[in-house]
Amino acid sequence: GQNIDQPTEMTATEGAIVQINCTYQTSGFNGLFWYQQHAGEAPTFLSYNVLDGLEEKGRFSSFLSRSKGYSYLLLKELQMKDSASYLCAVSKGNTPLVFGKGTRLSVIA
Amino acid sequence: GAVVSQHPSRVICKSGTSVKIECRSLDFQATTMFWYRQFPKQSLMLMATSNEGSKATYEQGVEKDKFLINHASLTLSTLTVTSAHPEDSSFYICSARRTGSQIWEETQYFGPGTRLLVL
Repeated sequence: GQNIDQPTEMTATEGAIVQINCTYQTSGFNGLFWYQQHAGEAPTFLSYNVLDGLEEKGRFSSFLSRSKGYSYLLLKELQMKDSASYLCAVSKGNTPLVFGKGTRLSVIA
Repeated sequence: GAVVSQHPSRVICKSGTSVKIECRSLDFQATTMFWYRQFPKQSLMLMATSNEGSKATYEQGVEKDKFLINHASLTLSTLTVTSAHPEDSSFYICSARRTGSQIWEETQYFGPGTRLLVL
């Protein structure tokens, strides 16, 4: 079976840092993706982690621990435009990505 | 880059008619494309996997005779919603995976989505 868990909703203040966690239990694992989806729009690719550790891309960073089945997306210097859903997805090879239900982030002033 | 387009972006149709949605990978070849449906404030639901030159693989509960998928080339997949009904109204999103990717590069790139409203 497969199970991907992430919080349903989070709220954070403009300028702050927020960490969105994702835990997974899947039969097979190649890597973990994070996507951003604004309301009414399609998901856009943010990051892909294959190896353990932290990968930084500007204000966004993503971390993976394969042994713990755990990942997080870190957003720094939050802006109002970062209000969106953040989807974590597991790659198992030559099969469709398996998506979590998404975390709806609200950035408030 | 990896750009995926969808057409139309928005369609309104009468109940009982059929609607075709096109998904194109603009700057890369995609052996495999995926079709998703998303209802408001809900998560993405995978409908089917579209493979170039072969039959699509449908997820459990998705009617293959109602949602016809054709992946005629390495850059084009189409989804036809046949005899559409109001309950088919949804946001349909395709995604494509680059052909010949390294085993560690399995990114799915999403099209902008098609909003279907059936009256």
